[in-house]
Amino acid sequence: ELKVEQNPLFLSMQEGKNYTIYCNYSTTSDRLYWYRQDPGKSLESLFVLLSNGAVKQEGRLMASLDTKARLSTLHITAAVHDLSATYFCAVDSNNDMRFGAGTRLTVKP
Amino acid sequence: GAVVSQHPSRVICKSGTSVKIECRSLDFQATTMFWYRQFPKQSLMLMATSNEGSKATYEQGVEKDKFLINHASLTLSTLTVTSAHPEDSSFYICSARRDRAYGYTFGSGTRLTVV
Repeated sequence: ELKVEQNPLFLSMQEGKNYTIYCNYSTTSDRLYWYRQDPGKSLESLFVLLSNGAVKQEGRLMASLDTKARLSTLHITAAVHDLSATYFCAVDSNNDMRFGAGTRLTVKP
Repeated sequence: GAVVSQHPSRVICKSGTSVKIECRSLDFQATTMFWYRQFPKQSLMLMATSNEGSKATYEQGVEKDKFLINHASLTLSTLTVTSAHPEDSSFYICSARRDRAYGYTFGSGTRLTVV
């Protein structure tokens, strides 16, 4: 059974700081997704990572995928308050997509 | 783009009644759609996979007679919560995939409150 572990679950950081969210998964997959969810809202797609070594960047967020280590990271650079949200990774293996528990990020002034 | 429309966004119903939630892919055809349930401050849990023209595939522990899924066309899947009870109150989200490389697009979600 595909399992996805995400950490940390809670992250409180100051504006301007850097931090990384980790996503480990248990079975072979080369498709990993990162989503953002604001309170009361649905999921917004951030990144689709399709191959080993894939790196994508959008603004202050950068995601990478290491399929050999079964690990993806979401790196936050110089955080700003607008990045406060819950971030989920999700892994797609043979049309079975499972979500991590989510990381609730709070960026404080 | 790939847009998925979900309606209604909020619904309040009385215990014992049924509620239908619609999920439409607006600019692409989706042979497969997915229904998730999310409790407050928790992750998304897959309830079922909706397949166009065939029966849905339900996850273990999800009552198929309570959560009826119909995927009658390539652009529409519906989830009906039958005989709803307060414990069914939750945030229900659908998703569809335009193609494997594009990834999944999520509907805006439906907040169901059973009173």
